[in-house]
Amino acid sequence: QSVLTQPPSVSGAPGQRVTISCTGSSSNIGAGYDVHWYQQLPGTAPKLLIYGNSNRPSGVPDRFSGSKSGTSASLAITGLQAEDEADYYCQSYDSSLSGYYVFGTGTKVTVL
Amino acid sequence: QVQLVESGGGVVQPGGSLRLSCAASGFTFSSYGMHWVRQAPGKGLEWVAFIRYDGSNKYYADSVKGRFTISRDNSKNTLYLQMNSLRAEDTAVYYCAKDRPRWGFDPWGQGTLVTVSS
Repeated sequence: QSVLTQPPSVSGAPGQRVTISCTGSSSNIGAGYDVHWYQQLPGTAPKLLIYGNSNRPSGVPDRFSGSKSGTSASLAITGLQAEDEADYYCQSYDSSLSGYYVFGTGTKVTVL
Repeated sequence: QVQLVESGGGVVQPGGSLRLSCAASGFTFSSYGMHWVRQAPGKGLEWVAFIRYDGSNKYYADSVKGRFTISRDNSKNTLYLQMNSLRAEDTAVYYCAKDRPRWGFDPWGQGTLVTVSS
């Protein structure tokens, strides 16, 4: 029952560009709360990929980029590589009665 | 380097209890809030609980409120999650994660598996 909606899957050939949407509402992304993105490689713990909507931690390749507008956010991967095949989650804060910290439904990226 | 190591997972019967631990190192543990996040088999991430740096405030997901208790011992650099009245739907890998204001959850531990089954 996540309040942040992502497409279940996206795919692309090596070198292509893919985008993942994260759709929220006026009580989370639309209220101005930051969106963060995490990458979870198969069998491993999640890792911070993008923080504060569009910032990359040290060590994250610049082919990953994030943006936010209104009640939605997006993660783009340009120059898709085989090692980018993973699950990706957005995360924000929700100010509704039963809110607090919320994750997106998750998106599986497949490199064809 | 910053490291978080969870322990305490295992198999427990429905209605039973379990206490998870998360040992922190490589940073000033007493200065940061901490989270527990879980992931059911084949499912997405679900935030479970948060505790402020000094333990003064605790927050829970509705799904665990009244059954789980988050706590910390800053003298031992350790975070805990006491889980009571466990249900089958609590079966998941449980991760601890450090809260970085404006940064999100970073880093995460490797996770510990909790299986609730008779």
